[in-house]
Amino acid sequence: NAGVMQNPRHLVRRRGQEARLRCSPMKGHSHVYWYRQLPEEGLKFMVYLQKENIIDESGMPKERFSAEFPKEGPSILRIQQVVRGDSAAYFCASSPSRDLLTQYFGPGTRLTVL
Amino acid sequence: QQQVKQSPQSLIVQKGGIPIINCAYENTAFDYFPWYQQFPGKGPALLIAIRPDVSEKKEGRFTISFNKSAKQFSLHIMDSQPGDSATYFCAAFWSGGSNYKLTFGKGTLLTVNP
Repeated sequence: NAGVMQNPRHLVRRRGQEARLRCSPMKGHSHVYWYRQLPEEGLKFMVYLQKENIIDESGMPKERFSAEFPKEGPSILRIQQVVRGDSAAYFCASSPSRDLLTQYFGPGTRLTVL
Repeated sequence: QQQVKQSPQSLIVQKGGIPIINCAYENTAFDYFPWYQQFPGKGPALLIAIRPDVSEKKEGRFTISFNKSAKQFSLHIMDSQPGDSATYFCAAFWSGGSNYKLTFGKGTLLTVNP
């Protein structure tokens, strides 16, 4: 059973460009979470999604950031008009409905904004 | 407001030593406390977790001690090995809510020297 998959693993963007980060949860998992990790910081919750629904986006910046988890396909975290401060590691986690306490993390996408 | 405070920021021990990492939380609604281990370039992996109705939990060489009245918990690693060198994050979780987000400490970089 493959783990949580994220791509790309590394992404370089220039200021003002768009970044799209993809997350495929573990098979059978319908709950997806996105976290951001800044250098020497812990992970900060961004958004919690179930299929086709955003459950909690209290950690998402109000502007430029959006997330979706469509009925088919991976979850997408989209950052428009990136700025240098968006440089970070973005982790996706998933959990099954029967065990929402256990979140399985992917390897992360490291975003660098030049 | 940092809801989970973790210390120390870094820790160096010799092989066979017992590193101890401490965390304190503020929100009494938290009722599940996992520890994650993260190796460089990887995503966090669940190590061990505890609920506040028990004071101690052991899994292999890893032990969590929990003090509910002090709102503190700690991770002990028995007979530490160089392969345990990683960053360790404590986290807290409120299972009574609807968002299931993890609140992380800032992490402890553990180095175990041979």
